[in-house]
Amino acid sequence: KAGVTQTPRYLIKTRGQQVTLSCSPISGHRSVSWYQQTPGQGLQFLFEYFSETQRNKGNFPGRFSGRQFSNSRSEMNVSTLELGDSALYLCASSLAGGRTYNEQFFGPGTRLTVL
Amino acid sequence: DQQVKQNSPSLSVQEGRISILNCDYTNSMFDYFLWYKKYPAEGPTFLISISSIKDKNEDGRFTVFLNKSAKHLSLHIVPSQPGDSAVYFCAASGSNYKLTFGKGTLLTVNP
Repeated sequence: KAGVTQTPRYLIKTRGQQVTLSCSPISGHRSVSWYQQTPGQGLQFLFEYFSETQRNKGNFPGRFSGRQFSNSRSEMNVSTLELGDSALYLCASSLAGGRTYNEQFFGPGTRLTVL
Repeated sequence: DQQVKQNSPSLSVQEGRISILNCDYTNSMFDYFLWYKKYPAEGPTFLISISSIKDKNEDGRFTVFLNKSAKHLSLHIVPSQPGDSAVYFCAASGSNYKLTFGKGTLLTVNP
């Protein structure tokens, strides 16, 4: 079974631009979560989508948004990029049932650098 | 406010010995706890979990202990192997299922 895939793997943008990251979950997984990883803050939850609906949201500004498609693929968008948005963005998928939802499978991440 | 804390940024142990990674949490609403392992250039990998109704869960060389009164959990790896060298993240969730991660502990197992 193929794992979680994320594209692109690396991205360089300049301040003020916007960016879209893509995530394809494991086949059959309906929940997709996004995280931001930085050296100082560790892994921080951005949001989670299930059946095309945002089910959970972290404490990030409205510049960070996402969506999920009917095939469970998800995209994350960051508008008006700031230097502090430079980070590794991780996508994770899981089955939707019960506590096993938290036993998520992560993709390799997209390394975003904002200049 | 950091609700899940891993106070040791790094830990070094000898191959064959026990590795003990610690994690503290402050939110009493957390009732499910997990450990993830992360190698460089890869996403985290789920390792083991424990529900708050238990105080111990074992899976092969990995055992997680939960002390609810102290709001503390630990991951024991016995025996430690060089391939265990990675960053280990502790995570917790409550009824909203949202995962809160610690900042991680870098484990180095020396041959």
